[in-house]
Amino acid sequence: EAQVTQNPRYLITVTGKKLTVTCSQNMNHEYMSWYRQDPGLGLRQIYYSMNVEVTDKGDVPEGYKVSRKEKRNFPLILESPSPNQTSLYFCATWGAGRRSGYTFGSGTRLTVV
Amino acid sequence: GENVEQHPSTLSVQEGDSAVIKCTYSDSASNYFPWYKQELGKRPQLIIDIRSNVGEKKDQRIAVTLNKTAKHFSLHITETQPEDSAVYFCAASYEAAGNKLTFGGGTRVLVKP
Repeated sequence: EAQVTQNPRYLITVTGKKLTVTCSQNMNHEYMSWYRQDPGLGLRQIYYSMNVEVTDKGDVPEGYKVSRKEKRNFPLILESPSPNQTSLYFCATWGAGRRSGYTFGSGTRLTVV
Repeated sequence: GENVEQHPSTLSVQEGDSAVIKCTYSDSASNYFPWYKQELGKRPQLIIDIRSNVGEKKDQRIAVTLNKTAKHFSLHITETQPEDSAVYFCAASYEAAGNKLTFGGGTRVLVKP
């Protein structure tokens, strides 16, 4: 079954404590991306990756890092989380040349206190 | 970069009536316009999309129209049902550029029985 798996689903952490949200896909998609969802602002892109070892900033990259060491994984790293990073995060993938749109992960609800 | 505006932010309709959501985009190079439906607590899922070489596309009770000259596109839902209650997002991208999707702010649709 084609899947985009995010972990954890829910996370409460304290300001400044480094954390990683994982994203893994089994569809051999080249393109992976992280979005955050906030009320009234829709989904805003944080970082994206066109392929292994190729990453670039999206619209709201401040305070985040990513890596793409292998095709299936695209972790989102918050080195020093702050309360304004409290949000709902989605990983999404897309296969180049495929006309089926993004596939989203199940989401991670992060609360930073 | 691309900017997508979506209206209205909330929409309440009586079951059986039609619902229309409108989006405008800023980048004339955009050529792919998907619509996503997000039910409460779930991930966004693609419901319909349109590319710039067509002006209208239908799939059962939903349809999307695109006016490239005016840079706006719309989602039409006919004969609404309670299960159509959700948040709907429009998005735009230039597919050849790795399909970076820029989303609108979302429309919360409530279908009243």
